[in-house]
Amino acid sequence: AQTVTQSQPEMSVQEAETVTLSCTYDTSESDYYLFWYKQPPSRQMILVIRQEAYKQQNATENRFSVNFQKAAKSFSLKISDSQLGDAAMYFCAAFVGAGSYQLTFGKGTKLSVIP
Amino acid sequence: GAGVSQSPSNKVTEKGKDVELRCDPISGHTALYWYRQRLGQGLEFLIYFQGNSAPDKSGLPSDRFSAERTGESVSTLTIQRTQQEDSAVYLCASSPIAGRANYGYTFGSGTRLTVV
Repeated sequence: AQTVTQSQPEMSVQEAETVTLSCTYDTSESDYYLFWYKQPPSRQMILVIRQEAYKQQNATENRFSVNFQKAAKSFSLKISDSQLGDAAMYFCAAFVGAGSYQLTFGKGTKLSVIP
Repeated sequence: GAGVSQSPSNKVTEKGKDVELRCDPISGHTALYWYRQRLGQGLEFLIYFQGNSAPDKSGLPSDRFSAERTGESVSTLTIQRTQQEDSAVYLCASSPIAGRANYGYTFGSGTRLTVV
C-alpha cells in the first residue's frame, strides 16, 4: 500500500512572499500521478497542480510549481507571490499503479497568509 | 450539472438515527467516489462506483455504512444507527472514468455530519 506524508501541519507566509509545502510518498510502483489539492473553508477540494511520474519536468500552473524529486520520493509545492486567497488547507495526494482509481491523501498542511 | 453537488450541506442528527447523504456527480462522469474527512485529518477512502457497480467497498468502516448509485447519476451514502465517531465531513468526487488517474477527481463541497 502507498502512503503520503505531509510533515508540516501548519505553515505561514507573508503576503507576496514565497512558501514551500513538503510532501513525501512511499511506493514501489513506477507508474503514478501526484496531485496537490487546496481546501478553503468552503470545504470543496480544488485541484491545484498534477505531476505525472514519468515526466522529468516539474509541473507549473501560474504561481504554483512543484519540485518533484523522484529518487527521493519527494513532491513539494511552491507558491510564489502569496496572496490572501491562498490561505487554505493543502493536501498532497497520489494515484499509484496502472489503472489506479483510489486517490491516497496526506493529512494536510494549513497555510496562513499574513497581510 | 456543472459541478459535483452534495446535499445536505450540513446535517445534525441524534445518535442512533439513520442518515442519507446525497451526491450528484458531473454529467457524463462514470466514476464516483466517497471519502470521509474527520476533523484535522486527511481524506479516508470509503467506496467507489464505476457506473452503478461498486467494485471496491473496502473503505466502508462497518456494516452500518452502505451506498448505492442509480445508473451513472446520483449516489446515496447511508449511515444506520449513527454514532458520535461518525461525525465528519463526507466528500463526494467524480471523474470521467475510474482507472484513468491523469484526470484526478472533481470534488463536491461535502456534507458536514454532526452526531449528538
